[in-house]
Amino acid sequence: AQSVSQHNHHVILSEAASLELGCNYSYGGTVNLFWYVQYPGQHLQLLLKYFSGDPLVKGIKGFEAEFIKSKFSFNLRKPSVQWSDTAEYFCAVRSGTNAGKSTFGDGTTLTVKP
Amino acid sequence: EAQVTQNPRYLITVTGKKLTVTCSQNMNHEYMSWYRQDPGLGLRQIYYSMNVEVTDKGDVPEGYKVSRKEKRNFPLILESPSPNQTSLYFCASSLSGSDSPLHFGNGTRLTVT
Repeated sequence: AQSVSQHNHHVILSEAASLELGCNYSYGGTVNLFWYVQYPGQHLQLLLKYFSGDPLVKGIKGFEAEFIKSKFSFNLRKPSVQWSDTAEYFCAVRSGTNAGKSTFGDGTTLTVKP
Repeated sequence: EAQVTQNPRYLITVTGKKLTVTCSQNMNHEYMSWYRQDPGLGLRQIYYSMNVEVTDKGDVPEGYKVSRKEKRNFPLILESPSPNQTSLYFCASSLSGSDSPLHFGNGTRLTVT
């Protein structure tokens, strides 16, 4: 069974600080990886995704993530956060062999202090 | 505008009273899915559908039913709701490939007393 683990449940940063959120997954086959963001009171929106090719992927709003296959990791990064990045972030995986199953991590709440 | 529409946004009901949460998408997506979001537990998949008349269980299907009679609609049915089904529910859709990102509805906050 596939699973996703997010290392930090709550991260507090000051504006302009750098961000890295950890995500590890467990699945032996082909995976497609996603990061979603949920702003307060809103639905989830896609930040970025990886399915093949360059392991460093860039998303919206200056976010990027690196897929490291040997470590089963897909960490999210942003060089300089803004107050408007305050949100909950979810890592998710869909397997190549069972496209129906979507597994999410528990989420990381990011609070950016102005 | 491409969107996933859920109704109602808020629902308060009593134990045992059957309810349906509707979900509709206008993107001609083959895949649709339901999730519940609980604090500290992230999103957990309830049921999904790969296409019309094709549904399958997710990780937490107990107490829920779904149907997919039309491509655009994927209602979630709670035949006999219980307080442990109090949660925030999201419907999502995507193209059929596993590399396709999910498009989410705005959520339905359900309270069962």
